[in-house]
Amino acid sequence: AQSVAQPEDQVNVAEGNPLTVKCTYSVSGNPYLFWYVQYPNRGLQFLLKYITGDNLVKGSYGFEAEFNKSQTSVHLKKPSALVSDSALYFCAVRGSPRDTGRRALTFGSGTRLQVQP
Amino acid sequence: GAVVSQHPSWVICKSGTSVKIECRSLDFQATTMFWYRQFPKQSLMLMATSNEGSKATYEQGVEKDKFLINHASLTLSTLTVTSAHPEDSSFYICSARGDLPDTQYFGPGTRLTVL
Repeated sequence: AQSVAQPEDQVNVAEGNPLTVKCTYSVSGNPYLFWYVQYPNRGLQFLLKYITGDNLVKGSYGFEAEFNKSQTSVHLKKPSALVSDSALYFCAVRGSPRDTGRRALTFGSGTRLQVQP
Repeated sequence: GAVVSQHPSWVICKSGTSVKIECRSLDFQATTMFWYRQFPKQSLMLMATSNEGSKATYEQGVEKDKFLINHASLTLSTLTVTSAHPEDSSFYICSARGDLPDTQYFGPGTRLTVL
């Protein structure tokens, strides 16, 4: 079984400061890791994915993710937060289809990011 | 980029009626689409995986006779909530596997309210 944990329900940060949204995962085999953002009453927008390669992955809107295999984590980061980054962020995981036979994603519970002016 | 649309964006219906939600991939073909349900302030829960031309695969606890899924073409999947009840009120989101490997593109969601 695969699972995702986002330990923080909400993260508050001042505009211009760096932000981190935490995510840890559990999956069989090599992980396929994703971050999505959701604005109110909207679907999810893809931010980035990590499958293999460098542990620091760059994504959309200035976001990046730091993958740590030993800690089974993939934290979302941004060097300088904007008020417009305020939204709900979801981490998602799935195993390799060859290992799990599934392509469906398992989502974390979401973390609400609030950036104060 | 890959765009997924859903129709309607919101719907209000009476208890006992059926509601059909459409999910379309606008600029790519999607052999696989996924249907999720999201409760307020909660995560997305996968309901079923829809493969073009074959029966959908439902997650444990999801009633296949209640939530009918049809994926008749490479650009369209439909979810029909049959005999809807107030507890079916939720935000339903579809996604589609696009041309980029290992990437899902999500629709904007459909808010269903059953009175």
